[in-house]
Formats: sequence, C-alpha cells, structure tokens
Amino acid sequence: DIQMTQSPSSLSASVGDRVTITCQASQDIKDYLNWYQQKPGKAPKLLIYDASSLEVGVPPRFSGNGSGTDFIFTITSLQPEDVATYYCQQYDDYPLTFGGGTKVEMK
Amino acid sequence: QVQLQQWGAGLLKPSETLSLTCAVSGQLSSGYYCSWIRQPPGKGLEWIAEINDSGSSNYNPSFKSRVTISFDTSKKHFSLTLSSVTAADTAIYYCAGGGIFRPLYWGQGSLVAVSS
Repeated sequence: DIQMTQSPSSLSASVGDRVTITCQASQDIKDYLNWYQQKPGKAPKLLIYDASSLEVGVPPRFSGNGSGTDFIFTITSLQPEDVATYYCQQYDDYPLTFGGGTKVEMK
Repeated sequence: QVQLQQWGAGLLKPSETLSLTCAVSGQLSSGYYCSWIRQPPGKGLEWIAEINDSGSSNYNPSFKSRVTISFDTSKKHFSLTLSSVTAADTAIYYCAGGGIFRPLYWGQGSLVAVSS
C-alpha cells in the first residue's frame, strides 16, 4: 500500500495567517492526489483534485501543488470557518489511502 | 441537486454482518462511482471499496473477503456488507459518490458500533 504522511498533525493559527500542510507519499503518485476538509461531525468535503485543481465553489484561498511524492496544501488567509481537519488522499494505486490528517485550530 | 442518503443497523454484536445502503437522488452523470469510507471515532479515514454504475468494483485487501459492495441500478442504491465484525469495525461509515476518484457527494454517515 502507498503510505501518505501528513504534517503537522495539528496547528494553531490566527485569522488571516497563511497555513501550510505537507503530504508525502511513500512512492511516486504523479499528481493523483485529493485534499479534503472535514468539519467536526460532518462528512469530508473534496476541495482539491489532481493535486492542484480547485473544485467548483471552493474559495480561492485554498490551493494545492506538488507532484511525485511531495505535496503542499495552503490556505492563504485563514478564516474562522476553515477550522477543520484536512486530509490528503492518493489515487495512483489501490487501495486508495489517506494521510493521517491535520487539525487546524484558531488561536 | 445530488444527495446521498444512507441507512443501516447501528449496533451489532461480534461476528454479525454489517449492512448499509446508500440511495442516490438527483442526476449523476454516466460513469459515476460510489465509495465506502469509514472513520473510527476520533481517528482518520479509511477507504473500504468502490463500485461504478456498470458494476465494476475495487476493494481494499485489508478487509480480505469480508466485504461486498453492490449497485442496484433500478433503485440507484449502493450497498455495503461487512461480515464477521469485531470491535475494530466500530466506526462512522460514509458513502460517497461522483466521478472516478472525485467523490463530490457524501452521505450523512452511519455510526456502527460493535459490542457484545
């Protein structure tokens, strides 16, 4: 199985801060990577697919980039409604696998 | 507007079989997929299996032969069964649908607890 390692596991930031989350794959996954947002008590929501493509309706303050084994997810200006846990997921090979998640909290 | 509504038994005893159904309302384009994903309380996400509207499926080998997914085209219902459950199978189970590898639509989640 392809292992997905996310860091940090949690972070605390202020409104307006730039937030960066990294995701590393155990092998080359090209750009076959999704990023999800999960708010407490809710189902995950797909934000970014193909490592850098924003889903329709997702605010442009969210972005992703990277290819191969190293990926970055960025929130350019953190908003209160962005408090959530974020997950990466690879779909280069089965079984599809997720990173462990990054919990983003507000200072 | 596409919506996924899921249901199934919430409390099981060890060795019983988990059974969940996910109903799709609204129009999904041809070639859509439904995945089942679970999340143990307070933990991360685990992909279980997926099936498309043609009946082609893929499974997570970690579930070995315990899991089966199916699709009833006439009802637009996706189903998951997981046999011989243990306490380790206690989780919130989600169905998610959309294009391949792009699950845009999610069910509300079903908490399944396994306890004797």
